[in-house]
Amino acid sequence: ETGVTQSPTHLIKTRGQQVTLRCSSQSGHNTVSWYQQALGQGPQFIFQYYREEENGRGNFPPRFSGLQFPNYSSELNVNALELDDSALYLCASSLGGTGDYGYTFGSGTRLTVV
Amino acid sequence: DAKTTQPNSMESNEEEPVHLPCNHSTISGTDYIHWYRQLPSQGPEYVIHGLTSNVNNRMASLAIAEDRKSSTLILHRATLRDAAVYYCIPHNNAGNMLTFGGGTRLMVKP
Repeated sequence: ETGVTQSPTHLIKTRGQQVTLRCSSQSGHNTVSWYQQALGQGPQFIFQYYREEENGRGNFPPRFSGLQFPNYSSELNVNALELDDSALYLCASSLGGTGDYGYTFGSGTRLTVV
Repeated sequence: DAKTTQPNSMESNEEEPVHLPCNHSTISGTDYIHWYRQLPSQGPEYVIHGLTSNVNNRMASLAIAEDRKSSTLILHRATLRDAAVYYCIPHNNAGNMLTFGGGTRLMVKP
């Protein structure tokens, strides 16, 4: 089975621009979560999608938005980029979003905002 | 979310067993205990999870205290590739997010 694939692996954007990050979930997984990991910190939950609906959101502003598609792949969109948005963005998929399922993480997209 | 306490760092010799402790005294009855590890420059990797009973898989064993206020991740024979940050995360069965704390940085000496 294939794991979680994220693209691109690295990205440099200018403050104020918009960015879209993509994630292909592991085969058979219907739930996708997104996390932000700043340098030297643990990942922080952004939001989760279950069967194309947002199923929970962390403490992130509305300029962070997402989508999940019928094939369960997902996008993370960030508008009006700020310097503090520079981080590793991680996608994780699971069979369900609850505690009785493990999550498979991708290798992440490293976003640098200059 | 239940709070966790893990040692900041631990050291082990290659091919020896490693016991990584985690205290989660505020855990609720429906929280599963998840363990993930993160190698440098990679995303977190699922290791194991359990609710009440001890669990084994090809990567590790999870020993859960009878009162569930603590757990121990056991790597039976550490290798250099096991050097990583290990996160213990209580995950509510009705919840939808993993809350990562500081984790334990495991260093493995040859």
